[in-house]
Amino acid sequence: AQRVTQPEKLLSVFKGAPVELKCNYSYSGSPELFWYVQYSRQRLQLLLRHISRESIKGFTADLNKGETSFHLKKPFAQEEDSAMYYCAPPLSFGAGTTVTVRA
Amino acid sequence: GAVVSQHPSRVICKSGTSVKIECRSLDFQATTMFWYRQFPKKSLMLMATSNEGSKATYEQGVEKDKFLINHASLTLSTLTVTSAHPEDSSFYICSAVTGHSSYEQYFGPGTRLTVT
Repeated sequence: AQRVTQPEKLLSVFKGAPVELKCNYSYSGSPELFWYVQYSRQRLQLLLRHISRESIKGFTADLNKGETSFHLKKPFAQEEDSAMYYCAPPLSFGAGTTVTVRA
Repeated sequence: GAVVSQHPSRVICKSGTSVKIECRSLDFQATTMFWYRQFPKKSLMLMATSNEGSKATYEQGVEKDKFLINHASLTLSTLTVTSAHPEDSSFYICSAVTGHSSYEQYFGPGTRLTVT
């Protein structure tokens, strides 16, 4: 089964500081990975998919096959980035990381 | 585009009754929809995969007779919680894929079920 690990349940950073959410996957082959975000009182929505290598809302995520990681990064966190973030292979979700950005 | 709706958003029912939750893709056809359950402050747990015109595929540990799924059209899937009990109280979320990307999911807003 395709599984991912998000080791950090909670992450608190100050506004303007860099933020990195860790995600490690544990299956072989070519993974298909996504980052989803859930803002307070809103539905889950797609943030990034690894195949597109795009930057959304300042976030990027690079697939590192050597380290089997797909960490999510943003150089300068904003208060509106406070949310729950899920790393997800197809049809399952990591445990999620709650990010709080403090002023 | 790619909007998914759920109805109702919140429902309270008595123990022993059945509750139906609808999931609709509003502006696209979804051959596949997924049903998740989310416990408070926990991640999503996939319950079943719903394919239009065929029987749903249930994840291990999910009772198919308890959670009836029907995907009668390309825009509608329903989840019926039969003979609901308080332990069925949860947040149920559906998602759909457009078909352009196999697993890029669009989520409904969720349905809060409370069984008294």
